[in-house]
Amino acid sequence: NAGVMQNPRHLVRRRGQEARLRCSPMKGHSHVYWYRQLPEEGLKFMVYLQKENIIDESGMPKERFSAEFPKEGPSILRIQQVVRGDSAAYFCASSPFSGGTTDTQYFGPGTRLTVL
Amino acid sequence: KQEVTQIPAALSVPEGENLVLNCSFTDSAIYNLQWFRQDPGKGLTSLLLIQSSQREQTSGRLNASLDKSSGRSTLYIAASQPGDSATYLCAVVDSGYALNFGKGTSLLVTP
Repeated sequence: NAGVMQNPRHLVRRRGQEARLRCSPMKGHSHVYWYRQLPEEGLKFMVYLQKENIIDESGMPKERFSAEFPKEGPSILRIQQVVRGDSAAYFCASSPFSGGTTDTQYFGPGTRLTVL
Repeated sequence: KQEVTQIPAALSVPEGENLVLNCSFTDSAIYNLQWFRQDPGKGLTSLLLIQSSQREQTSGRLNASLDKSSGRSTLYIAASQPGDSATYLCAVVDSGYALNFGKGTSLLVTP
């Protein structure tokens, strides 16, 4: 059973470009979470999605960031017009039905975004 | 707002020593607490999950305790090995799904 997959593993963008980060949850998991780890900071929750629904996006910056989890295909975290402050490691996690209160979240290897 | 603090930020021990990592949280109304391991450039691996009704969990050389009323957890690693070198993260779930992480303890076990 493959784990959570994220791609690309490393992404370099110039200021003003768009970044698209993809996450494929573990087989059978319908809940996806995105976290961001800024340099010298702990991981911070960004958004929680179920298939075709955004459940909680309270941790997402109000502008330039969006997330989706379509019926088919991976979850996508999209950052428009990237700035240097967006440079971070972005982790995706998935869990089975419970949504995380009784089950652990399984993390992917992360995408390291560098904005030049 | 939940604040999770981990002490110490970094720790270096010789191989074979037993060690304790500490985690504290400000709001005791949690669903569970988890300890993760993060290796450089890699993702997180879940080590132990303690439900709010539990006091401790054990896995091999690892033992995690939870004192919810005082807002504290400890991760005990017995007979440390160089392969244990990594960053250890503590996280609590208090809203039903979002993990609130501490900044971690960076552990180095020297041969």
